[in-house]
Amino acid sequence: KNQVEQSPQSLIILEGKNCTLQCNYTVSPFSNLRWYKQDTGRGPVSLTIMTFSENTKSNGRYTATLDADTKQSSLHITASQLSDSASYICVVRSGGSYIPTFGRGTSLIVHP
Amino acid sequence: ETGVTQSPTHLIKTRGQQVTLRCSSQSGHNTVSWYQQALGQGPQFIFQYYREEENGRGNFPPRFSGLQFPNYSSELNVNALELDDSALYLCASSSGAGGYSNTGELFFGEGSRLTVL
Repeated sequence: KNQVEQSPQSLIILEGKNCTLQCNYTVSPFSNLRWYKQDTGRGPVSLTIMTFSENTKSNGRYTATLDADTKQSSLHITASQLSDSASYICVVRSGGSYIPTFGRGTSLIVHP
Repeated sequence: ETGVTQSPTHLIKTRGQQVTLRCSSQSGHNTVSWYQQALGQGPQFIFQYYREEENGRGNFPPRFSGLQFPNYSSELNVNALELDDSALYLCASSSGAGGYSNTGELFFGEGSRLTVL
């Protein structure tokens, strides 16, 4: 069964600090992995996509990594801002499948 | 702005009633998928429509049904509402041959918040 597990479930940090969110998956065959940011009461928005051959990809202060051998991904946020407070959801697609597998998300709160 | 619009944004129903939620997909997108998101949880896949045909369904009972129209907009219908149906319902559009996008990016609407009393 395809599964995506995220940790931690929730995280509180101070503004300006860095943090790392984790995503472990058992989706097979692997096609790609996306990190989405979901602000409270809004729809998720894609931050970055990782394919099998990619190890690291940055999008501003967001850096995603992928280890296809261990089936793990991380999302590192640098110099956090209040606007980073949101849920971060890891979504994995299997090759040839119409149905993506969603993680439950990590709720990040950034305090001033 | 993703270009995906959903209506209504909020609604309240009572147990046993029926509800219809609507979604307009982003221009150029031929695939629409629906998700249920309970509070504090990740989205759960309900079903997907590609060119007016359902081509994927999650673990939801038949009282959850849908339609996709020729302009690729879509409806989600839920009959015999239960308290556990209270959730944020998200619609996402995407493009790709056969309903499966190579990049897999989903463009979500803002959601419809359903409360069942």
